[in-house]
Amino acid sequence: QQQVKQSPQSLIVQKGGISIINCAYENTAFDYFPWYQQFPGKGPALLIAIRPDVSEKKEGRFTISFNKSAKQFSLHIMDSQPGDSATYFCAASDFGNEKLTFGTGTRLTIIP
Amino acid sequence: DGGITQSPKYLFRKEGQNVTLSCEQNLNHDAMYWYRQDPGQGLRLIYYSQIVNDFQKGDIAEGYSVSREKKESFPLTVTSAQKNPTAFYLCASSIGGQGRTVGQPQHFGDGTRLSIL
Repeated sequence: QQQVKQSPQSLIVQKGGISIINCAYENTAFDYFPWYQQFPGKGPALLIAIRPDVSEKKEGRFTISFNKSAKQFSLHIMDSQPGDSATYFCAASDFGNEKLTFGTGTRLTIIP
Repeated sequence: DGGITQSPKYLFRKEGQNVTLSCEQNLNHDAMYWYRQDPGQGLRLIYYSQIVNDFQKGDIAEGYSVSREKKESFPLTVTSAQKNPTAFYLCASSIGGQGRTVGQPQHFGDGTRLSIL
């Protein structure tokens, strides 16, 4: 079954701290792992994505860590800011399939 | 600016009524998607289309219908057969087509919130 399991469901982090969201997948054919950020009343926006040929990808304060053997990947937000408060979704797809399978989302709140 | 436009932003459905949600894109993308978002359940795929005049069912297609007569348009009809239509509906597109390479991002519109009267 194509599933992506995401945790935690909600997360509260102090300003300046590190936010960590985890995802695990089952389908070994998955080869593209994006993270989306969604603000209330808006559609998700692509934040950062990784392919399984690298173990880490960093863009500014956002880093994806990827563990192919464990079939897990995570999003790290360094120096978290109140503006990062949003819902984050991990997703996965494979080359032969255009469809994305999404995790259930993590509601992140950054407090002063 | 290129993007995806969904309309209306809010929609109300009466019992037994079909309603149609609009999705238009000017990104010249071949592939388009419809998702339903419910609290705590993430995004679930309703229908997708990889090319004009062709579309496939997603994971939760029952009670919904689509058409893809033009590349830029992918309307979704929520029929009276959908007994629990209250949700946030999101349309997305990606490059798709024969030029597809690994890792094509999907671009989303800002959604339509459908409620029952």
